[in-house]
Amino acid sequence: AQSVTQLGSHVSVSEGALVLLRCNYSSSVPPYLFWYVQYPNQGLQLLLKYTSAATLVKGINGFEAEFKKSETSFHLTKPSAHMSDAAEYFCAVSVKTGNQFYFGTGTSLTVIP
Amino acid sequence: DAGVTQSPTHLIKTRGQQVTLRCSPKSGHDTVSWYQQALGQGPQFIFQYYEEEERQRGNFPDRFSGHQFPNYSSELNVNALLLGDSALYLCASSLAQRLAETDTQYFGPGTRLTVL
Repeated sequence: AQSVTQLGSHVSVSEGALVLLRCNYSSSVPPYLFWYVQYPNQGLQLLLKYTSAATLVKGINGFEAEFKKSETSFHLTKPSAHMSDAAEYFCAVSVKTGNQFYFGTGTSLTVIP
Repeated sequence: DAGVTQSPTHLIKTRGQQVTLRCSPKSGHDTVSWYQQALGQGPQFIFQYYEEEERQRGNFPDRFSGHQFPNYSSELNVNALLLGDSALYLCASSLAQRLAETDTQYFGPGTRLTVL
């Protein structure tokens, strides 16, 4: 079975500061991992994905994430937060067969001016 | 290139009623998945349709049913609505799996269902 744990339901950072959103996964088979962002009253937008190629994945809007198998983690980072980054962020895991996504409970990012 | 579209945007129903939500997948996609996102929660998988058949199902009761049409669009039906069915319903489309790859799911804007 697969599952995702997002540590910290709320994260606040100052504008220009480092953003770090944590995601740990559980999977009985090699996982595929995704980060999505959701703005208020909107659907989910793909930020980046890991599909067993490079362990450091670069996404849109300056975000990146590193797959660490030994730590079963896929944390999302951005060197310098921007006001427009304020949103809800979801980590998701999938497997090769079936393509069902399992989502974490989300982390709400607040950017303080 | 049109992305995933869903209709209606908002819907208000009363307990016991039935509702139908609609989804058109991204151009070139043939698989549609439905998710329920309760307030403050992550999306929960309802079911997935491929080749007009339900391929997978999450832990949802039979009151939730669906359909996929030959043009790959899909409907989600919920019968005997409960207050707890109030949520954002998200549709996601993808390509059927090829070999060892899993395909990215692209999400629509969702339908906000309120049950009174």
